[in-house]
Amino acid sequence: GAGVSQSPSNKVTEKGKDVELRCDPISGHTALYWYRQSLGQGLEFLIYFQGNSAPDKSGLPSDRFSAERTGGSVSTLTIQRTQQEDSAVYLCASSLGSGIGYEQYFGPGTRLTVT
Amino acid sequence: AQSVTQLDSQVPVFEEAPVELRCNYSSSVSVYLFWYVQYPNQGLQLLLKYLSGSTLVKGINGFEAEFNKSQTSFHLRKPSVHISDTAEYFCAVSSYSGNTPLVFGKGTRLSVIA
Repeated sequence: GAGVSQSPSNKVTEKGKDVELRCDPISGHTALYWYRQSLGQGLEFLIYFQGNSAPDKSGLPSDRFSAERTGGSVSTLTIQRTQQEDSAVYLCASSLGSGIGYEQYFGPGTRLTVT
Repeated sequence: AQSVTQLDSQVPVFEEAPVELRCNYSSSVSVYLFWYVQYPNQGLQLLLKYLSGSTLVKGINGFEAEFNKSQTSFHLRKPSVHISDTAEYFCAVSSYSGNTPLVFGKGTRLSVIA
């Protein structure tokens, strides 16, 4: 079946512009995660959605970052007034549930370059 | 809070040689442990996980890992690597409380040399 998909695969933007990154989770998966993969920093958790519960935003690095999940499915990560340090690969993952027994399935990521 | 340390950022190894990728974690609570692999230009794929039970965990592609609670380690091993194992490997932990995201190490790049 279809895996997690993300779009665009690559995004180049100018400093100060806003960007939106999209994630389509696996159908039926109730949990959705956003991570950021930066050179030398590894993978950092950004935000987590589970069903209709309020999202866990504890990993968002600044108030320029926000995310929403519409209809319990597609999610959009928005970065306002992008900075060069926002350049990274943004990974989305989904799982059947939020319990630890549920494997997280990762998308291929969106590579964001801020010039 | 949890943290993960992958002691080697790069590991070169000759084809058909054994390999060990090291992972140590820190946590004030019991954890679950994972190894993920990332092939070039692809997303992460789960290799194996330790939730409970036997401390020796077998995963896909001939990899295995051993959970050592006293040493807070979860090292990944393969007795004989192939060129196709060239990838980035990430160790990750999550606490028993469940609804927590994974905490990843910074990754180890395994390069298999023909």
